Amino acid sequence: NAGVTQTPKFQVLKTGQSMTLQCAQDMNHNSMYWYRQDPGMGLRLIYYSASEGTTDKGEVPNGYNVSRLNKREFSLRLESAAPSQTSVYFCASSEAPLGYTFGSGTRLTVV
Amino acid sequence: AQSVTQPDIHITVSEGASLELRCNYSYGATPYLFWYVQSPGQGLQLLLKYFSGDTLVQGIKGFEAEFKRSQSSFNLRKPSVHWSDAAEYFCAVGYAGANNLFFGTGTRLTVIP
Repeated sequence: NAGVTQTPKFQVLKTGQSMTLQCAQDMNHNSMYWYRQDPGMGLRLIYYSASEGTTDKGEVPNGYNVSRLNKREFSLRLESAAPSQTSVYFCASSEAPLGYTFGSGTRLTVV
Repeated sequence: AQSVTQPDIHITVSEGASLELRCNYSYGATPYLFWYVQSPGQGLQLLLKYFSGDTLVQGIKGFEAEFKRSQSSFNLRKPSVHWSDAAEYFCAVGYAGANNLFFGTGTRLTVIP
């Protein structure tokens, strides 16, 4: 089925460990996004990529890096995980401004 | 700065009752408006969207929403709620020239038998 695929679905990290969250879309969308979702705070934009080869910071970029590997793939990296990064992470893609298609999320716990 | 307000954190309704979830936005330009639904442990699914034209828009699962420019609102409604509608609902706003959407903090809907 067409859509946005995120891996992994669950992850537990120790403080200071690094990891990369993967996201791929097969809808030929130009724009891709990483959000984090925390209780009572809705979705907050971490980084986005308006088109292949470009990335920009969102509302909460500190502690994260991204790579737009090609038009399909947009990865999010945590270089040194902290407990404050415990969250649910969503990747989305769009052909702005037509609304997003979301992945199913990655539930990350940092202990 | 752009913002989206969903004033109700949690709403409980009886199955078969009507539902209205509120959403207000702040910005001067004409917005693009969206409602998403998130079932527990799932991603967000688009319910409906408004770009222009008729201010009453129909979506999936029997939902509708009305854009009221004078009130800066885009409230979501359903005439008769089903138990399967229990979920969290997010309002989102975008603008021409903007690359991303701005989300409200969500309204959790509980449906009681």
